[in-house]
Amino acid sequence: KAGVTQTPRYLIKTRGQQVTLSCSPISGHRSVSWYQQTPGQGLQFLFEYFSETQRNKGNFPGRFSGRQFSNSRSEMNVSTLELGDSALYLCASSDMRQGSYEQYFGPGTRLTVT
Amino acid sequence: AQTVTQSQPEMSVQEAETVTLSCTYDTSESDYYLFWYKQPPSRQMILVIRQEAYKQQNATENRFSVNFQKAAKSFSLKISDSQLGDAAMYFCAYRTIIQGAQKLVFGQGTRLTINP
Repeated sequence: KAGVTQTPRYLIKTRGQQVTLSCSPISGHRSVSWYQQTPGQGLQFLFEYFSETQRNKGNFPGRFSGRQFSNSRSEMNVSTLELGDSALYLCASSDMRQGSYEQYFGPGTRLTVT
Repeated sequence: AQTVTQSQPEMSVQEAETVTLSCTYDTSESDYYLFWYKQPPSRQMILVIRQEAYKQQNATENRFSVNFQKAAKSFSLKISDSQLGDAAMYFCAYRTIIQGAQKLVFGQGTRLTINP
């Protein structure tokens, strides 16, 4: 099976703009989670989607949002970008069937806000 | 809230030797999963090993094994016969479930250097 893919891999935006990142999970995986990784805060959970529904959200402002499509692909959107939003954004998918709870990560999208 | 602590920001080991990375966690749950992930310079997070809390037997995957001490809330990773390709950031992670929704809580990571 193909792994988790994320597009784009690199992105440069300016403050105040908005950005949309995309994630395609492993075929058959219905759960998609997003994480933000920064040198200062480490890896922080953003949100999880399952069957097009957001089931859980981390402690991030409302500027961070996401959605999941019927084919399990997911997008996350950040509006009104701030310098502090510069980070590596990681997407992970998991099967969620009994005994299959591992999360498999994509290569990430490196977002730089100038 | 669950927390994960990795007390060793950096570790180094000679090639072919054994190294142990430490991880402790705090939780009030009785059933949970623990993971070790590896993040090489390419930044791709790679699952190394997992441990179910209800299993007393320590998980093993080839050269990687864990020492899971549930009462002490400790979950260390042992890498045997270290290889240059093992050099990476290693993250310990706790999987929590809230009303059916899951998330991983990560430690701050340990940077492992392999000396040839």
